[in-house]
Amino acid sequence: QSALTQPPSASGSPGQSVTISCTGTSSDVGGYNYVSWYQQHPGKAPKLMIYEVSKRPSGVPDRFSGSKSGNTASLTVSGLQAEDEADYYCSSYAGSNNLEVFGAGTKVSVL
Amino acid sequence: QLQLQESGPGLVKPSETLSLTCTVSGGSISSSSYYWGWIRQPPGKGLEWIGSMYHSGNTFYTYYNPSLESRVTISVDTPKTQFSLKLSSVTAADTAVYYCARQLNRAGYSSGCWGWGQGTLVTVSS
Repeated sequence: QSALTQPPSASGSPGQSVTISCTGTSSDVGGYNYVSWYQQHPGKAPKLMIYEVSKRPSGVPDRFSGSKSGNTASLTVSGLQAEDEADYYCSSYAGSNNLEVFGAGTKVSVL
Repeated sequence: QLQLQESGPGLVKPSETLSLTCTVSGGSISSSSYYWGWIRQPPGKGLEWIGSMYHSGNTFYTYYNPSLESRVTISVDTPKTQFSLKLSSVTAADTAVYYCARQLNRAGYSSGCWGWGQGTLVTVSS
């Protein structure tokens, strides 16, 4: 059982927005501003899309944004495009004996 | 440009030890700015952090997922710019794609996995 809870699926039409939630506890998401989001296409390694709750690595489109409230972090993809169809995973720092705890992943479909 | 490449047997027998190596190019595994870790993904399932290590001074420190700690060892070969994973007493539940990754070290906090290997599938079967 994953430490962080994500919805199994989400969807939207091209151009629309989709938001994915990631719920943890005060020992992980709620306790640290070290939440990351990853995009994974089939057969590929994950790609970092958001780090430290809301920061984007260089090269990630600004259509991707992150936020956090309490024990729940969120990823919003605005202006959905066909290439955004993928699995998305959240992760959080959870202490020196648990550097990265992951969510179970959310499959985003572009209708 | 950072590159990571996993290598090792693709098939391991139950009860034996899984051994993988990650070769790093374009980055120093001796830098205290990063953790170097292992993450796995069972077929059709989500990601699981296995463990990480980082270098500070003359010491390499290791951190392991509590659920795997009794079976995991991560070691480093600095001259070869490689770090390795050993997972003992494997069962079918350890069948997964194993990734090595570089994690940003923010004053001790892990701030995401910024670089990943392509992953290698390890199947546990007799």
